[in-house]
Amino acid sequence: AQTVTQSQPEMSVQEAETVTLSCTYDTSESDYYLFWYKQPPSRQMILVIRQEAYKQQNATENRFSVNFQKAAKSFSLKISDSQLGDAAMYFCASLIIQGAQKLVFGQGTRLTINP
Amino acid sequence: KAGVTQTPRYLIKTRGQQVTLSCSPISGHRSVSWYQQTPGQGLQFLFEYFSETQRNKGNFPGRFSGRQFSNSRSEMNVSTLELGDSALYLCASSLAGTGENTEAFFGQGTRLTVV
Repeated sequence: AQTVTQSQPEMSVQEAETVTLSCTYDTSESDYYLFWYKQPPSRQMILVIRQEAYKQQNATENRFSVNFQKAAKSFSLKISDSQLGDAAMYFCASLIIQGAQKLVFGQGTRLTINP
Repeated sequence: KAGVTQTPRYLIKTRGQQVTLSCSPISGHRSVSWYQQTPGQGLQFLFEYFSETQRNKGNFPGRFSGRQFSNSRSEMNVSTLELGDSALYLCASSLAGTGENTEAFFGQGTRLTVV
């Protein structure tokens, strides 16, 4: 079974600073994807960044980057130059490559940006 | 390109009633999955449909059911509603061809309140 754990229920950061959100996961599968989703107050889940497990290089998307440690089953999200619009719930999720489209989510981290 | 559309956005039902929620995926997407989001349990997978077939089902009672039509639109039904069914129900669509998984795009959700 897949599990995803986010140990930080809440985080806060000053605007323009950098923040790192933590995520650990467990799976017996060898081929899987990992994601970070953002859920603003509008409630719509928005994909922030995605990492294929077979890729050693860490994914980056503008101000967002991940630190993927496959052996440690760790997948943290770094947000650089934090902006007020980054305030949201952030969910880490895993998806095995073979089979049905079933995301397994962590409990989420609420990120507050202080102006 | 239109996004994932969920209707209705908000719903209030009485215990014991049944409810049907609708999800129209992005054009060309054949996979539709459903998730329940509650403050206590977080995001939990309900089921996924691909080409009108249920491929995977989460750990929910039989009161929760779904279906997918030939145009990929999906509905989920909850019968004999309980107070604990109050939640945000999210639908996600993806291309998800055989043997591969792709990015899931989420709708804005249906907020169901059971009174």
